[in-house]
Amino acid sequence: GAVVSQHPSWVICKSGTSVKIECRSLDFQATTMFWYRQFPKQSLMLMATSNEGSKATYEQGVEKDKFLINHASLTLSTLTVTSAHPEDSSFYICSTSAGGLAREQFFGPGTRLTVL
Amino acid sequence: GNSVTQMEGPVTLSEEAFLTINCTYTATGYPSLFWYVQYPGEGLQLLLKATKADDKGSNKGFEATYRKETTSFHLEKGSVQVSDSAVYFCALRDSWGKFQFGAGTQVVVTP
Repeated sequence: GAVVSQHPSWVICKSGTSVKIECRSLDFQATTMFWYRQFPKQSLMLMATSNEGSKATYEQGVEKDKFLINHASLTLSTLTVTSAHPEDSSFYICSTSAGGLAREQFFGPGTRLTVL
Repeated sequence: GNSVTQMEGPVTLSEEAFLTINCTYTATGYPSLFWYVQYPGEGLQLLLKATKADDKGSNKGFEATYRKETTSFHLEKGSVQVSDSAVYFCALRDSWGKFQFGAGTQVVVTP
């Protein structure tokens, strides 16, 4: 299956700083990537859909100015958590679809963000 | 809107026991159904899927059948191993490609 990587795998930052998380599609071109957030012992919640070369589409309740998404190439999407606060601490997961009839989603390993 | 409901965990089993995780859904149209597994510290991995009614997905001894009449997609495995300990997510994909996940069920298999 397709491989999706995320960097970093974990990050600890101080409150008020910004953190950038990278999501890379390693073996196919991904026109669409998805960003999810997962709280401890809870399910994945879709935050936004990232489309290459255009603005991301955010789900209701997700602050687009706080969670900046850039999808500048077919293999890279970035999520920047701006002015992070402790309540932003979470597990952030990206995924991408291989397209076609299967349209299976392949998930990255996730990035654990801890804001002190 | 669409929703996925799965049984709460944790589910604790002994090795070689039979595992069932219930999953029901509500959706408009004809969604595809999935089971994903998440091992500690890792991302989600596709376990199996079914794209239409009466399809049976199977992988690594796990099975689930797409039941449109009961809007269910229960996951089963006849004999679990310690290595099956993980969190299992039921999910649907709607006609527009958007995924909806269940809350996840933690499974703990003891030797």
